[in-house]
Amino acid sequence: AQSVSQHNHHVILSEAASLELGCNYSYGGTVNLFWYVQYPGQHLQLLLKYFSGDPLVKGIKGFEAEFIKSKFSFNLRKPSVQWSDTAEYFCAVSPNQAGTALIFGKGTTLSVSS
Amino acid sequence: EAEVAQSPRYKITEKSQAVAFWCDPISGHATLYWYRQILGQGPELLVQFQDESVVDDSQLPKDRFSAERLKGVDSTLKIQPAELGDSAMYLCASSLRDRWITNEQFFGPGTRLTVL
Repeated sequence: AQSVSQHNHHVILSEAASLELGCNYSYGGTVNLFWYVQYPGQHLQLLLKYFSGDPLVKGIKGFEAEFIKSKFSFNLRKPSVQWSDTAEYFCAVSPNQAGTALIFGKGTTLSVSS
Repeated sequence: EAEVAQSPRYKITEKSQAVAFWCDPISGHATLYWYRQILGQGPELLVQFQDESVVDDSQLPKDRFSAERLKGVDSTLKIQPAELGDSAMYLCASSLRDRWITNEQFFGPGTRLTVL
């Protein structure tokens, strides 16, 4: 069965610190990979996605993620976080087939202090 | 910008009562998903529709949950009777069958259910 592991449950950083959130998945075939963000009181929004091509994916608000196929990983990075990045971050995977549901990790809560 | 609409945003009910949630996906999105998100967890699929047909309901507790999308547009998820363990956020999402098979899903604001 497919699964997604997010290793950090809660990350606390100061503004301007660098961020890396880990995500590993378990699936033997070709995958689509996603990072979603949920700001306090708001709905899930897509940060970035990978479905083919360049394994380094750039998303909104300065986030990027790198797909490393050999490690089954899709870690999220940002060089300098802001207080407004405080949110919950979810990694998700789906098989590379049209119209398939997402498998989500348990999420990482990021708290950024100013 | 088009969004997925859900109502109600909050629902408090007593156990053994019936509850229903409504979702209106982004216009033109043929695939609709209902997910359940328990506090501290990621969303988990309950049921998936392609147009009006159920594609996957393997994780839907069918003794108490039902879902329909009669005209292939909006959808209703029902729980009868509600149990304490059903307290969660119920999320609706929709996606477009794009030629790149990206499977990008757009989420609504959710319905927060509390069962007392």
